[in-house]
Amino acid sequence: GAVVSQHPSWVICKSGTSVKIECRSLDFQATTMFWYRQFPKQSLMLMATSNEGSKATYEQGVEKDKFLINHASLTLSTLTVTSAHPEDSSFYICTSGRGETQYFGPGTRLLVL
Amino acid sequence: EDQVTQSPEALRLQEGESSSLNCSYTVSGLRGLFWYRQDPGKGPEFLFTLYSAGEEKEKERLKATLTKKESFLHITAPKPEDSATYLCAVQERETSGSRLTFGEGTQLTVNP
Repeated sequence: GAVVSQHPSWVICKSGTSVKIECRSLDFQATTMFWYRQFPKQSLMLMATSNEGSKATYEQGVEKDKFLINHASLTLSTLTVTSAHPEDSSFYICTSGRGETQYFGPGTRLLVL
Repeated sequence: EDQVTQSPEALRLQEGESSSLNCSYTVSGLRGLFWYRQDPGKGPEFLFTLYSAGEEKEKERLKATLTKKESFLHITAPKPEDSATYLCAVQERETSGSRLTFGEGTQLTVNP
């Protein structure tokens, strides 16, 4: 079946540093990937749509200069959290689809101290 | 604006005690309704996609049904390993790609 991977699975960083999270589709080409964020005991909230070869589309309230998305190939999208602050601590999950079905990555737990 | 509401927020069952989870939705045109299972600290695991009212799908102890306004996830004779958060999401027909709008989830606990 389709598999989506993420790296790293967890990261701890100091406030003010930048963190890059990778999302890879392992056995299919993904022209579109989605990035979600999930705070404890809350559901997934869409942050942005990552489009291969073009600019990402951000949801209302998500700062595009803070959450940089790059989708340079059909199998890789990256999310960079720039100048991270403690309020950015969350669970970041990417998804990509085959047909009508979305497959989720395992998530990346970010803790900003 | 798409809306998805799940109930109850949390549900505790005894092993073998069947029950149902509800997902009510509002969408201008439904492309698909999805059910996922999420274990703590992990990404959601795909369970079902339903496309039209009247459709039903089954997998082991789970059965998902769909009407024009809501979906139910029926759990028959649950086991402790069924404990997880169950998420419902909708995909609108007019959206590009496969964007999903999620409900808040139902946290299911099955006691032995």
